[in-house]
Amino acid sequence: GQNIDQPTEMTATEGAIVQINCTYQTSGFNGLFWYQQHAGEAPTFLSYNVLDGLEEKGRFSSFLSRSKGYSYLLLKELQMKDSASYLCAVREGAAGNKLTFGGGTRVLVKP
Amino acid sequence: SAVISQKPSRDICQRGTSLTIQCQVDSQVTMMFWYRQQPGQSLTLIATANQGSEATYESGFVIDKFPISRPNLTFSTLTVSNMSPEDSSIYLCSVFGTGSSYEQYFGPGTRLTVT
Repeated sequence: GQNIDQPTEMTATEGAIVQINCTYQTSGFNGLFWYQQHAGEAPTFLSYNVLDGLEEKGRFSSFLSRSKGYSYLLLKELQMKDSASYLCAVREGAAGNKLTFGGGTRVLVKP
Repeated sequence: SAVISQKPSRDICQRGTSLTIQCQVDSQVTMMFWYRQQPGQSLTLIATANQGSEATYESGFVIDKFPISRPNLTFSTLTVSNMSPEDSSIYLCSVFGTGSSYEQYFGPGTRLTVT
């Protein structure tokens, strides 16, 4: 089974940096995803980590430590449009077909 | 990438009725996934639909309540049967992107309200 934890809400100021942590417990880890979801819209893919380390993609970076069951998503130079929910999801199983999502972190960017 | 469309985009249904949600993908895919997102909650996998075989349901979801069809490699339907207000949710179809083994894309969702 899966247990994926992330904070419920975070608030940050435009131009600042925010780090969203995600911890997980899994029986068959096969990668970790981060998605962004604006209110009323479908989730959109942000990043994927399967090996330890940092993956950087523009203003967004994602880090994974498999030994610690830990990941974070780093949002830099925050913009108002970054206000959204950020979902951590773990892919599990030998076939790696199933995604299990955390509860999501609602980020509010203030001017 | 993959482009996914869903019909209907939203519906309001009466208790006890059934609604069938359609999912169309712009490319052939082996697996299609159906998720539910209840108000204020994250996504929960309902089932995985493979073409030519029975869908695989997650714990807490059964075929009688959520029958799924997968007639070809670009299309699937999910039926929410004998609906109750607790079924009010957003239902999302999802697939892996073509040419990628890991990126998973979501349809726009179907917002269902049961009265």
